[in-house]
Amino acid sequence: GAGVSQSPSNKVTEKGKDVELRCDPISGHTALYWYRQSLGQGLEFLIYFQGNSAPDKSGLPSDRFSAERTGGSVSTLTIQRTQQEDSAVYLCASSLLPGMYSNQPQHFGDGTRLSIL
Amino acid sequence: QKEVEQDPGPLSVPEGAIVSLNCTYSNSAFQYFMWYRQYSRKGPELLMYTYSSGNKEDGRFTAQVDKSSKYISLFIRDSQPSDSATYLCAMSRHPYGGSQGNLIFGKGTKLSVKP
Repeated sequence: GAGVSQSPSNKVTEKGKDVELRCDPISGHTALYWYRQSLGQGLEFLIYFQGNSAPDKSGLPSDRFSAERTGGSVSTLTIQRTQQEDSAVYLCASSLLPGMYSNQPQHFGDGTRLSIL
Repeated sequence: QKEVEQDPGPLSVPEGAIVSLNCTYSNSAFQYFMWYRQYSRKGPELLMYTYSSGNKEDGRFTAQVDKSSKYISLFIRDSQPSDSATYLCAMSRHPYGGSQGNLIFGKGTKLSVKP
């Protein structure tokens, strides 16, 4: 079946502009995660949506970053007033509803490669 | 000290060699350990998953966890050019991140297997 889909695959924008990144999770997956992968920094957790619960925003690096998930499916990550240090690959993952003791692996999309000029 | 340390490489080996990839960590609460493989311009894909200390084997891949030393390893036997990728270790307190969601990743080791 279809995997996690992210769009656009590449985005180049000028410093100070706002950008929106989209993630379509695997159908039926109720948990959705955003990560950022910077050169030499590895993957950093940004935000996590689980079902209808309030999202865990503990990884968002600043208030310029926000995310929403409409209808429990598609998610949008928005970066306002972009800075050059925002340049990175933004990865989305989804899983079946995880619990404290459940085994639900995260499945990753191929990411959006964001470049801020 | 970062929570998870991983040598970024690059690591270059001849085809057929045994490859050893390693991560160390500082948080003794980590119980679940994963290895992901990431090809260029692709998302990470889960390769191995282990719980607590011990070994797990899957084909040419063996994952080892030593919680007493806070050290995990991935061994690749009979390495192939198709194994050329970046290998990321990841860990969490709960299965795959569980209800807390996030995994803690190493920076990844770039592996090149030469024909």
